[in-house]
Amino acid sequence: QVQLQESGPGLVKPSETLSLTCAVSRSSISSDYYWAWIRQPPGKGLEWIGSVYHSGTTYYNPSLKSRVTISIDTSKNHFSLKVTSVTTADTAVYYCASHRLLYMSFDSWGQGMVVTVSS
Amino acid sequence: DIVMTQSPDSLAVSLGERATINCKSSQSVLDNSNDKNYLGWYQQKPGQPPKLLISWASTRESGVPDRFSGSGSGTDFTLTISSLQAEDVAVYYCQQYYGAPFTFGPGTRVAIK
Repeated sequence: QVQLQESGPGLVKPSETLSLTCAVSRSSISSDYYWAWIRQPPGKGLEWIGSVYHSGTTYYNPSLKSRVTISIDTSKNHFSLKVTSVTTADTAVYYCASHRLLYMSFDSWGQGMVVTVSS
Repeated sequence: DIVMTQSPDSLAVSLGERATINCKSSQSVLDNSNDKNYLGWYQQKPGQPPKLLISWASTRESGVPDRFSGSGSGTDFTLTISSLQAEDVAVYYCQQYYGAPFTFGPGTRVAIK
């Protein structure tokens, strides 16, 4: 099964850019999968941020679309998330995940990365 | 956006008893062209990522114990744990993947009575 591992800074200042990377193992990122970012604020539920296909085609949640970029690097077998102009509302556990089709459930998840937005 | 609701918010069940969680979508997630409900169920234990239990409303993932079952169609769905075990203590989420943005229910916390 696909293995996923998030990495990046755990602390980001307000108004700055949050940047995370998800390393993919046991599968090529160029395989026929979609790669997703999902977040979970402390004590709250899950929010889909967006997904990317190996072609680079992206799909975003309209609620975040103006601030989010998801990209893929096939040479490094990883994909990335950038969220600009962060506020304390962006404090969350950020998960990367995979789904075999765009309209399909998320079948593999990373362990999650805690990101705190604070000065 | 398709809004997902769940009931109850939490429930406590004795070991070996049945636990039932309900999920409702604000619009149908049934694709009549293939007769599939675009609905999944996840289990999340403290400090862990969600784990996919059931896809297509009723298809159990490989390795998921058969005490977990999903049912329902259209807008109303149910996750049943037929005989609750200690390791089933968790928060359970439903999720629709019928249309983007993909959305999750608020979760149901299951505890031991």
